[in-house]
Parts: sequence; structure tokens; C-alpha cells
Amino acid sequence: DVQMTQSPSSLSASVGDRVTITCRASQSISSSLNWYQHKPGKAPKLLIYTASSLQSGVPSRFSGSGSGTDFTLTISSLQPEDFASYYCHQTYTTPWTFGQGTKVEVK
Amino acid sequence: QVQLQESGPGLVKPSQTLSLTCAVSGGSVSRGGYSWSWIRQPPGKGLEWIGYIYHTGITYYNPSLKSRVTISVDKSKNDFSLKLTSVTAADTAMYYCARYSIFGVGGWLDPWGQGTLITVSS
Repeated sequence: DVQMTQSPSSLSASVGDRVTITCRASQSISSSLNWYQHKPGKAPKLLIYTASSLQSGVPSRFSGSGSGTDFTLTISSLQPEDFASYYCHQTYTTPWTFGQGTKVEVK
Repeated sequence: QVQLQESGPGLVKPSQTLSLTCAVSGGSVSRGGYSWSWIRQPPGKGLEWIGYIYHTGITYYNPSLKSRVTISVDKSKNDFSLKLTSVTAADTAMYYCARYSIFGVGGWLDPWGQGTLITVSS
């Protein structure tokens, strides 16, 4: 299985901060990497697909980059509604696997 | 837009079979270009992909659960289902269904249902 190592597992930030979350795959997964936002009691929400494509309706402060084994999700200016958990997800090979998540909390 | 909604029993006894259904609205499970997935998240743990089914009925399961999992699709009801046999406390989790958009080598899960909590306990 492809192991997805996501870091940090949690972070504290303030509104307006630039936030960066990284995800490393145990083998090359090309650009088959997605990012999701998850809030308690709600459906996970697709933010970024194929490493860098912004899902329709997602604010442009979210961006993704990377290919191969190293990927990054960046929130350019954290907003109050962005406090949530974030997960990376590879679909290059089955079984699909997820990072362990990053919880973004209020500083 | 497409919406998914999981339904299930909430509580399942150990050794029994867990059965969940995902109702799809705003789109058809018969449409090509997509597959239909189940994912779960045990309390305090990460997301685990369970498996998927295409509208043709072709399935793929996570090898870690393959011996206990069956995913099926009901085109007449426009839904798909998950059965997990011989459950234990380790199967206690929030269970999500999601649509997978096929795109070359890789695709993405969108949308997801809100999830249904399944507790395995006597």
C-alpha cells in the first residue's frame, strides 16, 4: 500500500495567517493527489484534485502543488470558516489511502 | 447537484452483518465515468477506503477488508449498498459514501455523504 505521511498533525493559527500542510507519499503517485476539508458532523469537502486543480466553488485562497512524492496544500490567508481538519488522498493505485489528517485550530 | 445520503442501523452486534445504503439524488448511479465508494473513519483515527463499484457491477475492495465486504448497486432505486460481515468492535466507525470521478490514472471523491455512525456492541 502507498503510505501517505501528512504533517503537521495539528497546528494553531490566527485569521489571516498563511498555512501550509504537506503530504509525502511512500512512492511516486504522479499527480493523483487530492485534498479534502472536513468539519465535525459534515460531509468531507473536496478542495483540490490532481494535486493542483481547484474544485469549483472553492475559494482561491486554497492552492495545491507538487507531484511525485511531495505535495503541499496552502491556505494563503486563513479565514474563520477554514478551521477544520484537512486530509490528503492518493488515487494513483489501489487501495486508495489517506493521510492521517491535519487539524487547524484557533491560536 | 448530486447528493448522497447514508442510512444504516446505528448499532450492530458483534459477529453480525453490517448493512448500509447510500441513496443518490440529482444524478444516476448508471452514468459512466464514475464509481461509487465507501470510506470509514473509526473514532479518533484516520480515513480508510473500503471499496468501490462501477455501474457495470465491477467492484474493487481494500484487501484489508476484502474477505468480509460486498458492495452492490441497485439501479432501480438509484442507490448502492455496503455489507460487512462478522463485525467486531474494530468496525465501529463513521461510514461515508462518495462518488468517485474517474480521470486517467487517478480521480477524486466528490461529493460525499454526511456519514452514518455505526457502533458495534452487544
